[in-house]
Amino acid sequence: EAEVAQSPRYKITEKSQAVAFWCDPISGHATLYWYRQILGQGPELLVQFQDESVVDDSQLPKDRFSAERLKGVDSTLKIQPAELGDSAMYLCASSFLPGLAGYNEQFFGPGTRLTVL
Amino acid sequence: SQQGEEDPQALSIQEGENATMNCSYKTSINNLQWYRQNSGRGLVHLILIRSNEREKHSGRLRVTLDTSKKSSSLLITASRAADTASYFCATDRGTSYGKLTFGQGTILTVHP
Repeated sequence: EAEVAQSPRYKITEKSQAVAFWCDPISGHATLYWYRQILGQGPELLVQFQDESVVDDSQLPKDRFSAERLKGVDSTLKIQPAELGDSAMYLCASSFLPGLAGYNEQFFGPGTRLTVL
Repeated sequence: SQQGEEDPQALSIQEGENATMNCSYKTSINNLQWYRQNSGRGLVHLILIRSNEREKHSGRLRVTLDTSKKSSSLLITASRAADTASYFCATDRGTSYGKLTFGQGTILTVHP
């Protein structure tokens, strides 16, 4: 069964360092999402791609976060510099039929748990 | 920002009992989805209900949607210890590209 792949699964870093997360969506899924989930809360969308284009990054802290999906397949989310408040689970998801009302089930990867010391 | 509010925040039941979780939201929606998250893992899609539907079933899951009250409920019947997880509702407001907004979640614990 096809799955969304993410790496690394765990990352510990010191504040002011740079970190990067990688996501490989399910083959054929045009839409890719990056979420941040703080412990005890629901996921919050950081950035959404349609193929290689960003279609929503309204909640992305652009002074320190960046995301790219150069060939419209896999994606990288970067934080530079990391801050203590960035400690969270970073989830990647993908979907097959973007924006089609009533049929936009998202498939999630296992996540990357980031700890900033 | 979180659109949905879920209650209860935590629910503890015995195996075999039914579990009901509620979700309220603020704006009109195209559809509402429920997801499950096992501890420290990614989310798994459970069921989707469209705005013109009132009830939907999938195995031991029953979802209702009341758009006049802007609320939904998820019922898990004959619960099992393996159902222990966090459950999230997510709303699609019909914006471009299927953006979902998640609630805070309900933590369900099923005791064997």
